[in-house]
Amino acid sequence: EAAVTQSPRSKVAVTGGKVTLSCHQTNNHDYMYWYRQDTGHGLRLIHYSYVADSTEKGDIPDGYKASRPSQENFSLILELASLSQTAVYFCASRDWGTEQFFGPGTRLTVL
Amino acid sequence: AQSVTQPDARVTVSEGASLQLRCKYSYFGTPYLFWYVQYPRQGLQLLLKYYPGDPVVQGVNGFEAEFSKSNSSFHLRKASVHWSDWAVYFCAVRSNYNVLYFGSGTKLTVEP
Repeated sequence: EAAVTQSPRSKVAVTGGKVTLSCHQTNNHDYMYWYRQDTGHGLRLIHYSYVADSTEKGDIPDGYKASRPSQENFSLILELASLSQTAVYFCASRDWGTEQFFGPGTRLTVL
Repeated sequence: AQSVTQPDARVTVSEGASLQLRCKYSYFGTPYLFWYVQYPRQGLQLLLKYYPGDPVVQGVNGFEAEFSKSNSSFHLRKASVHWSDWAVYFCAVRSNYNVLYFGSGTKLTVEP
């Protein structure tokens, strides 16, 4: 069973503060993804990566940075958190020919 | 551009009744389609996937889906719903760059 873990599971941040969300996978997957989910909506892609030390912009990258220091780890960074970034964030990983495996999510509240 | 529409935000069925959740996709070419389920406070889990071939695909827990190119649809079905099926269901299409595009989800409520 593929394993994707996220930390923290929930976080409260202040407007203008820096937030880092972490994702770790033990699947040896090349691809990793960050999505956000807003209440009543589907997931939207923020950033993704297909190899360590490289990241790509997804559909809604503004206000977010990503970092892939190793194959196993993929971080999402909010340099200046804003109220509009309150959401649930999901990480996923995938290998060639497989579907995406999702982590349990991080609930971020920006006050 | 690719997109997915799930026209029913909420569906309520009685336990033991049959179920159909609707999904319409927009994609140029032959799509790869997925249904995911999200239980409360959990991540998404794959129910089933369609890769070009047999239009009816079987998934876990008695779910199946039927692909229709003429209708641009990929509806999810189950013959007899169980209370444990209470969840949010997402349909998704995969792009050429292996990115998933999700619909807005259908929240399924199961009545006793």
